[in-house]
Amino acid sequence: SQQGEEDPQALSIQEGENATMNCSYKTSINNLQWYRQNSGRGLVHLILIRSNEREKHSGRLRVTLDTSKKSSSLLITASRAADTASYFCATDDKQGGKLIFGQGTELSVKP
Amino acid sequence: DAGITQSPRHKVTETGTPVTLRCHQTENHRYMYWYRQDPGHGLRLIHYSYGVKDTDKGEVSDGYSVSRSKTEDFLLTLESATSSQTSVYFCAISEPGIQAQPQHFGDGTRLSIL
Repeated sequence: SQQGEEDPQALSIQEGENATMNCSYKTSINNLQWYRQNSGRGLVHLILIRSNEREKHSGRLRVTLDTSKKSSSLLITASRAADTASYFCATDDKQGGKLIFGQGTELSVKP
Repeated sequence: DAGITQSPRHKVTETGTPVTLRCHQTENHRYMYWYRQDPGHGLRLIHYSYGVKDTDKGEVSDGYSVSRSKTEDFLLTLESATSSQTSVYFCAISEPGIQAQPQHFGDGTRLSIL
């Protein structure tokens, strides 16, 4: 089945630095979503980018999508300790709205 | 936070016992989902529902059944729990529309089967 695969699996940075996470997938999609998960909590939706969009911004988040390479990236600028969490990409299956999640990137932002 | 409540939040039980997890929503969303989250596997879809009494299987449905008799409740049942079903279970909801919609998640149920 198609699946988003995140890279890196873990990322550790200092507060104020930028964090970039990448996601690759296998088949064509309608949209790609990014979610965040704090320890012990459920996933929270961050941003959705459609297949006809190349870049999208939301606050300190910037998402790009390259459908020719079947890849997306999530950039968090000026990171804060509160950004420490796991980040997941999810692609739709084009057949009923179900999402396929990647295994996530664990981001640690040190104060 | 979206109005999603999962119960129980934690459960420890023995192999072979039946277990039912409940997801309750107050958002009147049509779609509801059950996922399991395991290290190295991310989130995997177990079953989902697209309306009252309308359900379908996901990627890892073996050993699980679901029921949805009301819009607000989606139950996940393990008829005879096995140790391989030890996991964290998440419920999610979404409302279909012309444009793609995000899913909203509960805070999970941590299930341990001994």
